[in-house]
Amino acid sequence: QSALTQPPSASGSPGQSVTISCTGTSSDVGAYNYVSWYQQHPGKAPKLMIYEVNERPSGVPDRFSGSKSGNTASLTVSGLQAEDEADYYCSSHAGSSAVFGTGTKVTVL
Amino acid sequence: EVQLVESGGGLIQPGGSLRLSCVASGFTFNNYNMNWVRQTPGKHLEWVSGIGPAGYTTYYPDSLKGRFTISRDNSKNTVYLQANSLRAEDTAVYFCAKGRGGAAFDAWGQGTMVTVSS
Repeated sequence: QSALTQPPSASGSPGQSVTISCTGTSSDVGAYNYVSWYQQHPGKAPKLMIYEVNERPSGVPDRFSGSKSGNTASLTVSGLQAEDEADYYCSSHAGSSAVFGTGTKVTVL
Repeated sequence: EVQLVESGGGLIQPGGSLRLSCVASGFTFNNYNMNWVRQTPGKHLEWVSGIGPAGYTTYYPDSLKGRFTISRDNSKNTVYLQANSLRAEDTAVYFCAKGRGGAAFDAWGQGTMVTVSS
């Protein structure tokens, strides 16, 4: 199972929006509505931000939203804040396994 | 509050074996899938294994089948990962993660570092 493809970096100024893509195949992202997104700050464990493409766990700000079209999923962070600067990873159900994305570093300028 | 605490990492020689443990609290342990996910020094995340709530069903990526074994003891709220024939490329931080279905992981431990080196 190959890793899902994400851009290495993305950036935006405070208050702006940034969108991160996550490209898989018809065997993972394209096959299931089970795409998740994680935020990871340095030295910390990943934190679930989005599950099932566009659902937010309790406590996650509604500035974070997800979508999917075909084999590509996206995470949008609106109204960027300094604390959003982190690494972001997507993941997808892939039959009886799970596959993660390559990760994107989001910088708040 | 959900808590997952891993232990058992360390420095191990190539070809050696290791058993990682993860003690869970703050939720009804035997109602949930549990998983191990590792993060390499290059920061890549890789799902390592998963186990069903009762422990009867286990899942592995094809690349790790045969070397890694996941198990759980619901009486101790603990999930284990037995890793054999370790290689340098197994060097990573190993996280325990609670499954919420659909390959989403909604709680993570702090991780335990495994270094495979001579």
